[in-house]
Amino acid sequence: GQNIDQPTEMTATEGAIVQINCTYQTSGFNGLFWYQQHAGEAPTFLSYNVLDGLEEKGRFSSFLSRSKGYSYLLLKELQMKDSASYLCAPMDSNYQLIWGAGTKLIIKP
Amino acid sequence: GAVVSQHPSRVICKSGTSVKIECRSLDFQATTMFWYRQFPKQSLMLMATSNEGSKATYEQGVEKDKFLINHASLTLSTLTVTSAHPEDSSFYICSASVADRGFSYEQYFGPGTRLTVT
Repeated sequence: GQNIDQPTEMTATEGAIVQINCTYQTSGFNGLFWYQQHAGEAPTFLSYNVLDGLEEKGRFSSFLSRSKGYSYLLLKELQMKDSASYLCAPMDSNYQLIWGAGTKLIIKP
Repeated sequence: GAVVSQHPSRVICKSGTSVKIECRSLDFQATTMFWYRQFPKQSLMLMATSNEGSKATYEQGVEKDKFLINHASLTLSTLTVTSAHPEDSSFYICSASVADRGFSYEQYFGPGTRLTVT
């Protein structure tokens, strides 16, 4: 079957760094997306990895290891507005995104 | 670029009535559009995938006669919830993707529609 495993909830302090891990199993693989979703809103795109390694984009970086079925999202210099759910979504062989429940990140002052 | 709109953003309807939700790609032509449903604190659930001019492909367990999807053009898809019941109350989100963007089949999400059936 296909599944995603992410921590349900994480708490971090404003200004700090947090790493959200994701392990996945899919039928085929065509890359992995990270989305941010604030409560009551639709997801917004953060990053896309299709090759192994680290992709850096401002305060956010995403890492992928295809052989391990593992990815992480790294958020630096945390701000209060980063409080949201972070969704790890690998794409299977049919180019369909597989969604987990996401990780709710709580930022404290 | 890559903006997707949805209308309405919120709708309240009575049980037994039908509700239509529109999804538009504003600045690009969407090869494929997706309809999701999300209940509170749960993951996005894909309901159906539609390509312009062809019938939608529904996920297992989604009633195609209840959730009518029309993808009439490369910029517009509609979802009609027929004979709505309170259990249909949910957050409905559409997304659109462009297949000719190389490896990236990124989905651009609309802002969502909050449906409440009373």
